[in-house]
Amino acid sequence: DAGVIQSPRHEVTEMGQEVTLRCKPISGHDYLFWYRQTMMRGLELLIYFNNNVPIDDSGMPEDRFSAKMPNASFSTLKIQPSEPRDSAVYFCASSSVGTEPLDNEQFFGPGTRLTVL
Amino acid sequence: QKEVEQDPGPLSVPEGAIVSLNCTYSNSAFQYFMWYRQYSRKGPELLMYTYSSGNKEDGRFTAQVDKSSKYISLFIRDSQPSDSATYLCAMSARISSASKIIFGSGTRLSIRP
Repeated sequence: DAGVIQSPRHEVTEMGQEVTLRCKPISGHDYLFWYRQTMMRGLELLIYFNNNVPIDDSGMPEDRFSAKMPNASFSTLKIQPSEPRDSAVYFCASSSVGTEPLDNEQFFGPGTRLTVL
Repeated sequence: QKEVEQDPGPLSVPEGAIVSLNCTYSNSAFQYFMWYRQYSRKGPELLMYTYSSGNKEDGRFTAQVDKSSKYISLFIRDSQPSDSATYLCAMSARISSASKIIFGSGTRLSIRP
């Protein structure tokens, strides 16, 4: 398996522009997570899906952020309009479900490094 | 106050040294404790996990949990340059995929050859 795939790997945009980040989870995984990592705040959970349904979006910073999962193999995180404080590395992770701890291990993608000028 | 506190470092030690990485936390509901390793420009990878209090050893790595002090540690013996990475502690109340994982901010570790 290729692991979790994210695109683009780097994105540089100007304030006010729309940004769309993409994620392909590991095949067969039921859960998908979007995280944001910054030096100041560390790794923060933004939203997660179970079987394509958003379960907890309490970490989404504001209405400018939205996430969708139209099918089991694809998810997007959209920022509209983008602001300089959105600059961060955005990670997507996926996991399966089971009774043993390692069944629920989250596998992270390589991340998208977003810079908003 | 953050739920999980971790010294960001950086920490630089010579090859072969014993490394000690630590985190403190405030939520007594946490039961599962994890350490992730993150190489530069990569996503975090699960290194070890422990349940409740006690020690767990895996090769050169030992994880310790002291729930009474709300303190967890990761020890690396005979450290190697390939261990140079950022180490994030993480914890959750349950191990299920639906349980929110809270991450520390990470400690950047450098092993000097």
